[in-house]
Amino acid sequence: EIVLTQSPVTLSLSPGERAALACRASQSVGNYLAWYQQKPGQAPRLLIYDASNRATGIPARFSGSGSGTDFTLTISSLEPEDFAVYYCQQRRKWPLSFGGGTKLEIK
Amino acid sequence: QGQLVQSGAEVKEPGVSVKVSCKASGYSFTGHYMHWVRQAPGQGLEWMGRINPFNGVTDYAETFQGRVTMTRDSSINTAFMELRGLTSADTAVYFCARAAAGTDQYFDPWGQGTLVTVSS
Repeated sequence: EIVLTQSPVTLSLSPGERAALACRASQSVGNYLAWYQQKPGQAPRLLIYDASNRATGIPARFSGSGSGTDFTLTISSLEPEDFAVYYCQQRRKWPLSFGGGTKLEIK
Repeated sequence: QGQLVQSGAEVKEPGVSVKVSCKASGYSFTGHYMHWVRQAPGQGLEWMGRINPFNGVTDYAETFQGRVTMTRDSSINTAFMELRGLTSADTAVYFCARAAAGTDQYFDPWGQGTLVTVSS
């Protein structure tokens, strides 16, 4: 099973700042990695797929990069609605797996 | 884009089964895999498996093999997930999630989630 490790576990930033969230895979996943956002009491929402492609309707301030084992989700300028938990997910090998999440909180 | 609406919260005793439904609308139900993902309270996401609504073929995560059954009723655009032999460790929110357009192993959109509580 491919293990995804996200860091940091918690990230405290202010609106307007830039956020960089990391996801490291235990073995190469190529570019087969997605990012999701989850707000309290809600289902996750797909943000980025195949490492760098924004899903439909996702604002341009969200971007993804990386390949192989190291990936980054960047939010260029934080809006109040961006404070949430973010998960990465790989589809390179079964079983499909998620990272443990990064909580992005308001500083 | 589509919408998924799940059945309501359940409280179950240990050892019994639970069956959660997921009704799809706004897209071709048989054209996209349906996945199931669960989330224990305060924890991360765990993929359980998927079903091809076109032919009913399923793939289950090894963790759940022998304990989960995913089915569908295409006449009512609804997928089902049944989990047997419940224990307290199965207390979680269960989500259905459609395979994202253009790929069958990312998830978009998701249902609202169904809380299953296992308690005696």
